[in-house]
Amino acid sequence: EAQVTQNPRYLITVTGKKLTVTCSQNMNHEYMSWYRQDPGLGLRQIYYSMNVEVTDKGDVPEGYKVSRKEKRNFPLILESPSPNQTSLYFCASSFQASGRLGETQYFGPGTRLLVL
Amino acid sequence: ILNVEQSPQSLHVQEGDSTNFTCSFPSSNFYALHWYRWETAKSPEALFVMTLNGDEKKKGRISATLNTKEGYSYLYIKGSQPEDSATYLCAFRMEGAQKLVFGQGTRLTINP
Repeated sequence: EAQVTQNPRYLITVTGKKLTVTCSQNMNHEYMSWYRQDPGLGLRQIYYSMNVEVTDKGDVPEGYKVSRKEKRNFPLILESPSPNQTSLYFCASSFQASGRLGETQYFGPGTRLLVL
Repeated sequence: ILNVEQSPQSLHVQEGDSTNFTCSFPSSNFYALHWYRWETAKSPEALFVMTLNGDEKKKGRISATLNTKEGYSYLYIKGSQPEDSATYLCAFRMEGAQKLVFGQGTRLTINP
């Protein structure tokens, strides 16, 4: 089954304790992205990756890191989480071929993070 | 910063009624406009991806239109059913850009 998986789904942590949220897709998609969703603000992009070893900042990258060592995986790293990073996080992936219009993004199930 | 606006923010509709809502986006350098449906406790799912001015797409009782020259898209739901209750998100992609910019969503509630 084609899917995007995220782990963990729920996480409660404390300020400053490093954490990683994993994201994996089995559709051989080139493009992967991380979003955070906060009430009243919609989905905001944190980081994205066009392909292996190619990553770039989205609109709200501060406090986050990513890596893309393999095509299927795109982990989100919070080196020193703070309470303002409490949010619902979504990973998404899509094909990204030049000349190909209309690439639908497929979303993971979401990770709800609470930083105390 | 690109501005993608959706209106209304929330909407309550009686079962069986038809409804529509709007996504506004920049009218220059258009590349694509996406619509997603997001049910509570689930992940957003793609409804439509629209790329051409004048596009009209349909999926069952849901349809969407696109006007790139004036920068808006409408989503229509005909004969609303309780299972249509969800947040509907639009997302704009500018030409040459590698990311989607999402609107805040329209939260639709269908009253039985």
